[in-house]
Amino acid sequence: GESVGLHLPTLSVQEGDNSIINCAYSNSASDYFIWYKQESGKGPQFIIDIRSNMDKRQGQRVTVLLNKTVKHLSLQIAATQPGDSAVYFCAENRGTGGGADGLTFGKGTHLIIQP
Amino acid sequence: KAGVTQTPRYLIKTRGQQVTLSCSPISGHRSVSWYQQTPGQGLQFLFEYFSETQRNKGNFPGRFSGRQFSNSRSEMNVSTLELGDSALYLCASRLDRGGGETQYFGPGTRLLVL
Repeated sequence: GESVGLHLPTLSVQEGDNSIINCAYSNSASDYFIWYKQESGKGPQFIIDIRSNMDKRQGQRVTVLLNKTVKHLSLQIAATQPGDSAVYFCAENRGTGGGADGLTFGKGTHLIIQP
Repeated sequence: KAGVTQTPRYLIKTRGQQVTLSCSPISGHRSVSWYQQTPGQGLQFLFEYFSETQRNKGNFPGRFSGRQFSNSRSEMNVSTLELGDSALYLCASRLDRGGGETQYFGPGTRLLVL
């Protein structure tokens, strides 16, 4: 069935290095994508989003890339810090307009920052 | 602005009981969505409410229901609890100006069914 998935369940990087978290989606009709960060015991926290009419968007230390040709989404985190340790989820919204379909989430990638 | 709040934060129930969870959205947000998070299934969409009406629904049995009040606060109810209903239940709100807007999540209610 259609789903949003992540390539790696765990990603370990050295503090200060850049990290890249990948996500594949299967629904060509999806037009809005979001990355969330979830720390232990907390709800998902919005990081950055991107619409399907864009291929790149930058925030503070984060960049999201969207490749609609291969249905691939990535989150780049620059100069990772200990506080970046969390589970990262990509999510897609399969419809805009008055009837939001709800977000479909990937399984998540656990980012571990090593000192 | 205060974020999304959920009560209670933790809950223990036994099989067959029912439970009601509450969510207060960010001030001004009109759309409230509910999600279930489990280690096995991940985050799954339950339903969305807007202007006191259920606007969309995920693939969950009828035991899961919800409602929204005129102040946009929302409740979800699970009747005849099963062991598999143990999960983190998350509420998210958004402004809703036509879709595609960011949903902001609350801390969740962790439900344990014994």
